[in-house]
Amino acid sequence: NAGVTQTPKFRVLKTGQSMTLLCAQDMNHEYMYWYRQDPGMGLRLIHYSVGEGTTAKGEVPDGYNVSRLKKQNFLLGLESAAPSQTSVYFCASSQPVAGNQPQHFGDGTRLSIL
Amino acid sequence: SQQGEEDPQALSIQEGENATMNCSYKTSINNLQWYRQNSGRGLVHLILIRSNEREKHSGRLRVTLDTSKKSSSLLITASRAADTASYFCATDPQTSGSRLTFGEGTQLTVNP
Repeated sequence: NAGVTQTPKFRVLKTGQSMTLLCAQDMNHEYMYWYRQDPGMGLRLIHYSVGEGTTAKGEVPDGYNVSRLKKQNFLLGLESAAPSQTSVYFCASSQPVAGNQPQHFGDGTRLSIL
Repeated sequence: SQQGEEDPQALSIQEGENATMNCSYKTSINNLQWYRQNSGRGLVHLILIRSNEREKHSGRLRVTLDTSKKSSSLLITASRAADTASYFCATDPQTSGSRLTFGEGTQLTVNP
């Protein structure tokens, strides 16, 4: 099992460019999450999904959009990248038993906005 | 603001010593989880303790939870150089569904 796979692993963008980060999981998990990790800030939840076709806002959703067209995939989009979005982005997935299941993480996408 | 706050922010010890990290949180929780992150990698789940549990063990890990003080501790016994990593606590607030709130982490360095 690959677990949670994120692509790309690294990317450099110019301000104003757009891009999509892809997350794929092969564990048949219902819930998927996108986080960003910045120095001294821990992980902050951007958007999450509790099932195919559903999405919801997390703690820091502005400037990002997401889609969950297939159960195994969760896409994070930046429509017009800004330097403040330079960060490491992590995707995670979990089973739908509320409060009692760990989250499984990918190895992250390191994104720099110039 | 972060639900979980770890203390200390950084900890440096010698191989064989024990390492203790603490986590405090603000609201009632369903459970508290500890994760480990090696440099350049994603987080890996270590242990979950439910709100009605007070202590849990897994190998060299011991986790305690005091809901009256809204705090938890992670003890790593007989540390190894390979334990060098960042450790995060994550809380599952009762009002959050399946969302977790992560602390800022403790950077543990175990010197050989």
